[in-house]
Amino acid sequence: DIQMTQSPASLSASLGETVTIECRASEDIYNGLAWYQQKPGKSPQLLIYNANSLHTGVPSRFSGSGSGTQYSLKINSLQSEDVASYFCQQYYDYPPYTFGAGTKLELK
Amino acid sequence: QVQLKESGPGLVQPSQTLSLTCTVSGFSLTSNSVHWVRQPPGKGLEWMGGIWGDGSTDYNSALKSRLSISRDTSKSQVFLKMNSLQTDDTAIYFCTMMVLITTFDYWGQGVMVTVSS
Repeated sequence: DIQMTQSPASLSASLGETVTIECRASEDIYNGLAWYQQKPGKSPQLLIYNANSLHTGVPSRFSGSGSGTQYSLKINSLQSEDVASYFCQQYYDYPPYTFGAGTKLELK
Repeated sequence: QVQLKESGPGLVQPSQTLSLTCTVSGFSLTSNSVHWVRQPPGKGLEWMGGIWGDGSTDYNSALKSRLSISRDTSKSQVFLKMNSLQTDDTAIYFCTMMVLITTFDYWGQGVMVTVSS
């Protein structure tokens, strides 16, 4: 199974700041990576697929990048509504689909 | 529009069987796959398994011996059954739909299941 290691586990940032979340796969996943946002008490929502493609309706301040085993999610100009947990997920090699442990983003 | 809704008991006794139903609308079960993902309180997401448009299934090997996923296309429902529940199976259980075979594009609201005597 491909293991996904996500960092940091938690992050505190100020409004307007740029934040970056990292995800490392245990082997090359050839951009088969998605990012999800989960707000408190809600279900996860797809943000990015194919490592860098923005899902329909997702604000352009979100972006994804990376290749091979290293990927990142960047949020520019942090807004209050971005307070959430973020998870990466690989779909290059399945089953199983595997997720990172998550990053909890809070406002400073 | 696409909707998924989970239903089932909120409390299950240890060693018993969990039965959950995912009722969907806005898409065809024969054209898209539906999966179950769970999340222990305050923790991460775990893919449990799914049923594909052709009716075939895939399971997480860690749960395969206890888990069964099936469907009734006439009722637009997908079912999860997992036996021998233990306290570490306490979690929110989500059903989720894949448009292709890659990402979980639509999610239900989730159902909290507590395993306790």
